[in-house]
Amino acid sequence: AAGVIQSPRHLIKEKRETATLKCYPIPRHDTVYWYQQGPGQDPQFLISFYEKMQSDKGSIPDRFSAQQFSDYHSELNMSSLELGDSALYFCASSHRDFHHTEQFFGPGTRLTVL
Amino acid sequence: QQQVKQSPQSLIVQKGGISIINCAYENTAFDYFPWYQQFPGKGPALLIAIRPDVSEKKEGRFTISFNKSAKQFSLHIMDSQPGDSATYFCAAGPGGSQGNLIFGKGTKLSVKP
Repeated sequence: AAGVIQSPRHLIKEKRETATLKCYPIPRHDTVYWYQQGPGQDPQFLISFYEKMQSDKGSIPDRFSAQQFSDYHSELNMSSLELGDSALYFCASSHRDFHHTEQFFGPGTRLTVL
Repeated sequence: QQQVKQSPQSLIVQKGGISIINCAYENTAFDYFPWYQQFPGKGPALLIAIRPDVSEKKEGRFTISFNKSAKQFSLHIMDSQPGDSATYFCAAGPGGSQGNLIFGKGTKLSVKP
């Protein structure tokens, strides 16, 4: 079965640089979620989109922005990177359905800020 | 404030034993409770989930027990195997519509052969 695709899988950036992470949801899934997971930590919700509109916002820094495109893929844009942004970034997708809101996670993008 | 509290932080079980991980939540608006399994460097994989209209759900060796009045739920892994060694996260969310998941801090399970 098709899964969530994330690219790149690994990314190394310098402080103050920008980064763009991409997420391709499972086919026919209309909702995308972004999570950040620090070393040894639990995933922390950043932001979500449903049908290309932002649907919920968590602890996303103002330096970060995201959007969902007409083909439902999503991009997380990160600017003025800081050392503390080094983490695993996961995208999850689901199909909005009153009875079924299981979120399926992608393999993640490991961002290292030097 | 941790909305979902998970324990224990780490757990060592012998092969063939039962692994039990507990979670408690505070927000009564939560109505969807999944468990995720995560291996190092991999994404969390959905194991099993429950909604508060049932008290127990079983899938293979994995069982969720749910106590709505106590606002607690637990994962039982029967006949634990070394391949089950991973970090397990409970989560809670407002299922049925858009809704981000709130995760517990995770339990690192080690199953000894």
